[in-house]
Amino acid sequence: GAVVSQHPSWVICKSGTSVKIECRSLDFQATTMFWYRQFPKQSLMLMATSNEGSKATYEQGVEKDKFLINHASLTLSTLTVTSAHPEDSSFYICSARDVGGAGYEQYFGPGTRLTVT
Amino acid sequence: ELKVEQNPLFLSMQEGKNYTIYCNYSTTSDRLYWYRQDPGKSLESLFVLLSNGAVKQEGRLMASLDTKARLSTLHITAAVHDLSATYFCAVDGGTYKYIFGTGTRLKVLA
Repeated sequence: GAVVSQHPSWVICKSGTSVKIECRSLDFQATTMFWYRQFPKQSLMLMATSNEGSKATYEQGVEKDKFLINHASLTLSTLTVTSAHPEDSSFYICSARDVGGAGYEQYFGPGTRLTVT
Repeated sequence: ELKVEQNPLFLSMQEGKNYTIYCNYSTTSDRLYWYRQDPGKSLESLFVLLSNGAVKQEGRLMASLDTKARLSTLHITAAVHDLSATYFCAVDGGTYKYIFGTGTRLKVLA
């Protein structure tokens, strides 16, 4: 149980284009999902908290107009990187909190590697 | 602002040896998590520690939590090559947000 998927697992896009990453909770409902970014050999940095049916909450320093988050259902959150640039190349990992479980634990997706050329 | 620090950042050890990774955090929290990350992969959950004095063991790894000292340890017993990975602790910073430690890159030498 508690499986989170991400799609795509990797993507290469050209500078200036937008790319959408999906995060799905496969066997549970998640009112809250989180998006993290990880640069090579660094830790995970929380970008934003995604709440079903409401606006995402962004961490300090994260541009909300650049990283668009939509959480339209209890099992799906999307992150759209708009007008991507090479410095946006990173490993993006989502996690989801199971409302039906104890509620405190996050379950992590397999990650999406974004390369912007 | 919650800060989470791990040490050491890098650890190279011989097979069969024991070692401890430390995770210190700056504000009160009763929930701490340990993860393993292999190169190019996402996180694998190792331990969930939910109260002061919690101790959990799985194979050659044992984790403990001292909320009063704001310290968690991950102890490795008789290391084997397969344990080579990066280990992260994460602290629940409130509203279920996780703040990750800096990570400890472990290399076990045969």
